[in-house]
Amino acid sequence: DVVMTQSPLSLPVTLGQPASISCRSSQSLVHSNGNTFLSWFQQRPGQSPRRLIYEVSNRDSGVPDRFSGSGSGTDFTLKISRVEAEDVGIYYCMQGTHWPSLTFGGGTKVEIK
Amino acid sequence: QVQLVESGGALVKPGGSLRLSCAVSGFTFSDHYMSWIRQAPGKGLEWVSYIGNRGSPIYYADSVKGRFTISRDNAQNSVYLQMNSLRAEDTAVYYCARLMSSSVDYWGQGTVVTVSS
Repeated sequence: DVVMTQSPLSLPVTLGQPASISCRSSQSLVHSNGNTFLSWFQQRPGQSPRRLIYEVSNRDSGVPDRFSGSGSGTDFTLKISRVEAEDVGIYYCMQGTHWPSLTFGGGTKVEIK
Repeated sequence: QVQLVESGGALVKPGGSLRLSCAVSGFTFSDHYMSWIRQAPGKGLEWVSYIGNRGSPIYYADSVKGRFTISRDNAQNSVYLQMNSLRAEDTAVYYCARLMSSSVDYWGQGTVVTVSS
C-alpha cells in the first residue's frame, strides 16, 4: 500500500499569517493516464471532512482562494495564504492513484496561536 | 443538492453485528462508486470499503476483510455495510462517501458505532 506521510503533525499559526502543510507519498502518484490523484480535505471540529483540493491543485467550488495546492510525483503541499479563525481543524491528504488501496495521510492539526 | 444520510450506528457488544445504511439523493446514484470510511475517536481517516457503481468491484481494508460486507441497491439509492464479529477496535464514526475521479467529493454526517461490553 502507498503510505502518505504528512508534516507537521501540529501547526500553530498566527491569524493572518501563511501556513503550509506537506504530504509525501511512498510511491509516485502519477497515474498511467498522466493525472495525479492527490486530494486535500479539511475537517473542522465536530464536522465531517470536506474536500478542498483535487488532482493536486484544483480547488473545489466554494473553497476560498487563500487555499492552494501544489506538488508533483511524491511531494505535495497545501498552503493557506492568510489563516483565518474558520480554518482551524485537521487537514488530510489522500491518494487516489493506486487502486484498490486508497490511502489517507495521518492528518495535520491547524490551530491559532 | 447532494445528500448522504447514514443510519444504523449503535452500541453493540464485542462479537455482535450491525448494519449501516446510507441513503443518498441529489445525484444519479447508479453512476457512482460509493464508500465507507471510518474515524476512530481522536484518530485519522481509514478506508473501510468501496463498491463500484453496479456492484463491483468491491474492496475491503485488511482490518475488516471477512467480517464486513458492502452492498448497494440502486433502485433504493442506498449503500449498506453489514458488520459482523465486531471488535472494540471497530469503534468509530462511520462515514458514507461518494467517490468521483479517484477522490471523495461528498461525505455524509457520519454514524457512531461503539463496540463495548
